[in-house]
Amino acid sequence: GAVVSQHPSRVICKSGTSVKIECRSLDFQATTMFWYRQFPKKSLMLMATSNEGSKATYEQGVEKDKFLINHASLTLSTLTVTSAHPEDSSFYICSAREEGVGGYTFGSGTRLTVV
Amino acid sequence: QKEVEQNSGPLSVPEGAIASLNCTYSDRGSQSFFWYRQYSGKSPELIMSIYSNGDKEDGRFTAQLNKASQYVSLLIRDSQPSDSATYLCAVVPGSGSARQLTFGSGTQLTVLP
Repeated sequence: GAVVSQHPSRVICKSGTSVKIECRSLDFQATTMFWYRQFPKKSLMLMATSNEGSKATYEQGVEKDKFLINHASLTLSTLTVTSAHPEDSSFYICSAREEGVGGYTFGSGTRLTVV
Repeated sequence: QKEVEQNSGPLSVPEGAIASLNCTYSDRGSQSFFWYRQYSGKSPELIMSIYSNGDKEDGRFTAQLNKASQYVSLLIRDSQPSDSATYLCAVVPGSGSARQLTFGSGTQLTVLP
């Protein structure tokens, strides 16, 4: 089945620094990937839709300058949390849909802690 | 009104019983429906997908879809303690080109040994 690899799985960073999270589709091409954020005991909140070769589409209330998304190839999307603050601490999850197959495969998630 | 709503739970069932999870959605044009299972601290994993009215069975899991009532459910037969997790209903809205998933708030299921 389709596999999505997400790295790192866990990261601790200092306030003010930037963190990059990678999401790769390993055995299929994904023109579109999705980035979610999840707070404890809450559901997944869509942050943005990442489009290969073009700008990401951000959901209302998500700061595009803070959460930089790059989808430079058909198998890789990255999310960079810039100038991180403690309130950015969360579980970030990417997802990709294999065209023509249906179903959405999720990466294993990244637990970000900003101290 | 939330786009995807699930019974809030938590839901507890004894081992071997049937667990019933329910979900309603607001976009009548929605065509794709999914159930995901999420263990604490992990990312969601796909349990079932359903696209047409009726029942779809896969092992101990049965998904049921009723588009007229805008309702989708998941039945878990012979529930096992390992089924204890949060179950997320997800829907792809009918409009929009990106076809992103919209999630319900999840139902926490506990299967008691």
